[in-house]
Amino acid sequence: GAVVSQHPSWVICKSGTSVKIECRSLDFQATTMFWYRQFPKQSLMLMATSNEGSKATYEQGVEKDKFLINHASLTLSTLTVTSAHPEDSSFYICSGGRGHTDTQYFGPGTRLTVL
Amino acid sequence: GQQLNQSPQSMFIQEGEDVSMNCTSSSIFNTWLWYKQDPGEGPVLLIALYKAGELTSNGRLTAQFGITRKDSFLNISASIPSDVGIYFCAGVENSGGSNYKLTFGKGTLLTVNP
Repeated sequence: GAVVSQHPSWVICKSGTSVKIECRSLDFQATTMFWYRQFPKQSLMLMATSNEGSKATYEQGVEKDKFLINHASLTLSTLTVTSAHPEDSSFYICSGGRGHTDTQYFGPGTRLTVL
Repeated sequence: GQQLNQSPQSMFIQEGEDVSMNCTSSSIFNTWLWYKQDPGEGPVLLIALYKAGELTSNGRLTAQFGITRKDSFLNISASIPSDVGIYFCAGVENSGGSNYKLTFGKGTLLTVNP
């Protein structure tokens, strides 16, 4: 149990376009979902925390207007990178928590490349 | 925010050897988690520790939650080539609520020579 999927697994886009990444909890209800980004050879850095039906809480230094997060249901959260630029190229990973424990289950990640 | 010191940064071992890595923090965490990440994949949960002093095993993996709640170690016994990857420790800042956050260590890159 506790499977999280992400779509797409990789995406290449032109600078200035927007990209949406989906994160789904397949066999559990994720009361909280988290979005991370990871640069090569580095650890995961939390971008934002979202609870179903409420606004996301962004970490310091993360632009909320650039990284739009929607957590419309207990099984789906989306991250939209608006007006993407090459420096936004990274590995984006989501995770879901079941609420009764502190354990987070991660998706397989989305590789974003902005040309 | 809180920071985790994970060591070693990398390890090169021979197949069959045992491995140990650890994380320490200047602050208390209520939960410690150990993940493994393969290249191009998301982290996979290996072991979760919820109580100070807890010792938990998962196959050839053993992890312990330090008594002070400021440290944890992960041991891998009789390593095999598929153990290759990056191992991350993670601490949870708030237990019981819905807005808990993970703080990650910087990872330990494990290479196993057959």
